[in-house]
Amino acid sequence: DAKTTQPNSMESNEEEPVHLPCNHSTISGTDYIHWYRQLPSQGPEYVIHGLTSNVNNRMASLAIAEDRKSSTLILHRATLRDAAVYYCILTPRGSGGSNYKLTFGKGTLLTVNP
Amino acid sequence: DTEVTQTPKHLVMGMTNKKSLKCEQHMGHRAMYWYKQKAKKPPELMFVYSYEKLSINESVPSRFSPECPNSSLLNLHLHALQPEDSALYLCASSQGGSRQPQHFGDGTRLSIL
Repeated sequence: DAKTTQPNSMESNEEEPVHLPCNHSTISGTDYIHWYRQLPSQGPEYVIHGLTSNVNNRMASLAIAEDRKSSTLILHRATLRDAAVYYCILTPRGSGGSNYKLTFGKGTLLTVNP
Repeated sequence: DTEVTQTPKHLVMGMTNKKSLKCEQHMGHRAMYWYKQKAKKPPELMFVYSYEKLSINESVPSRFSPECPNSSLLNLHLHALQPEDSALYLCASSQGGSRQPQHFGDGTRLSIL
């Protein structure tokens, strides 16, 4: 499985934008890029995913580099509730069981200061 | 509130006990998952069920026995666990396939005495 590299931790101030980077230099042409987050004492929560084009939803935006070797999760205005571990995960678009797997890395611990 | 419900939220058991963890979803999802998460570590996949059939077993010891009685329910039967099995056990569901997001419950925190 292709691996991702994220900073261990990042810090932000409330109501400011946050850019969370992820490197995935060994990504294959058919891998999806997913982002999940895990708030304290909760299960992981889906945030956003993309393949090649940038994506927006109500929670965040995903910017994907043209060569797809990196991506950035953008929280437009951080709130205290956004403090969590953010995971960048690649999922292979293959047949069989492999396309069901989420392989979590260590993620980035985001701290939001009031 | 999550759409995947796990019970119990906390469980303490001895090494000789038999217990079961339960997971329920009513989103019509066809794939269901068990993950294990140790403290300050990321979740690790244990099992995947697709259409009520076991699709993936990530070399999990036989003291963990999954069961999918129907498309809405997923159980994890526990027997003769070891102290190192103490962890947060997370259930998830999805429509299946690499593009579909997985929806997680808040987990069962298991402690083995």
